[in-house]
Amino acid sequence: GENVEQHPSTLSVQEGDSAVIKCTYSDSASNYFPWYKQELGKRPQLIIDIRSNVGEKKDQRIAVTLNKTAKHFSLHITETQPEDSAVYFCAAFYYGNKLVFGAGTILRVKS
Amino acid sequence: GAVVSQHPSRVICKSGTSVKIECRSLDFQATTMFWYRQFPKQSLMLMATSNEGSKATYEQGVEKDKFLINHASLTLSTLTVTSAHPEDSSFYICSARVQGTSSGNTIYFGEGSWLTVV
Repeated sequence: GENVEQHPSTLSVQEGDSAVIKCTYSDSASNYFPWYKQELGKRPQLIIDIRSNVGEKKDQRIAVTLNKTAKHFSLHITETQPEDSAVYFCAAFYYGNKLVFGAGTILRVKS
Repeated sequence: GAVVSQHPSRVICKSGTSVKIECRSLDFQATTMFWYRQFPKQSLMLMATSNEGSKATYEQGVEKDKFLINHASLTLSTLTVTSAHPEDSSFYICSARVQGTSSGNTIYFGEGSWLTVV
């Protein structure tokens, strides 16, 4: 069945350091992998996404890498700031129509 | 990005009553919308896929008679929680897929609705 595993569940970093969150997916046919940031009680916000025809994508301090062979993808945040503190969810598209989410990672950036 | 609006943002209802939540795509047409449920400190769990002009597709374990979904137009999907119980209290959030050659499978979320059943 559809499954997305996400690690770690919590991550604390010092301001200015980098943060890395990793996800694995189960269906090799999945072709779209977005990352969302969610603050308490608010909607998830798309922060970056990657499609299966590329291996890496970068947007300022945020980057995502995809390894299709190993079926895992990672979110990299550099030069973390306190406002990066939130819950981050990875997701994978299954059967072309269903977005399945990982369990989430609580990121705390300490100043 | 595309805008998805959800209403109401918060609702309190009595046990046994029904409550309707609306999800609208404001600047695009959405043939497919998705309804999720999120408990505190947990991930988003897909409840059902709402298809314009046809029946919704429910995930395993989701009661279709309790969570009624209607997708009557290309810009509106509704979720009705029928005979609500306190355990139905949760954060319900909809999303819509922007289709087209430039956006592909990009998903945008509504603001979410906090339901409290007392």
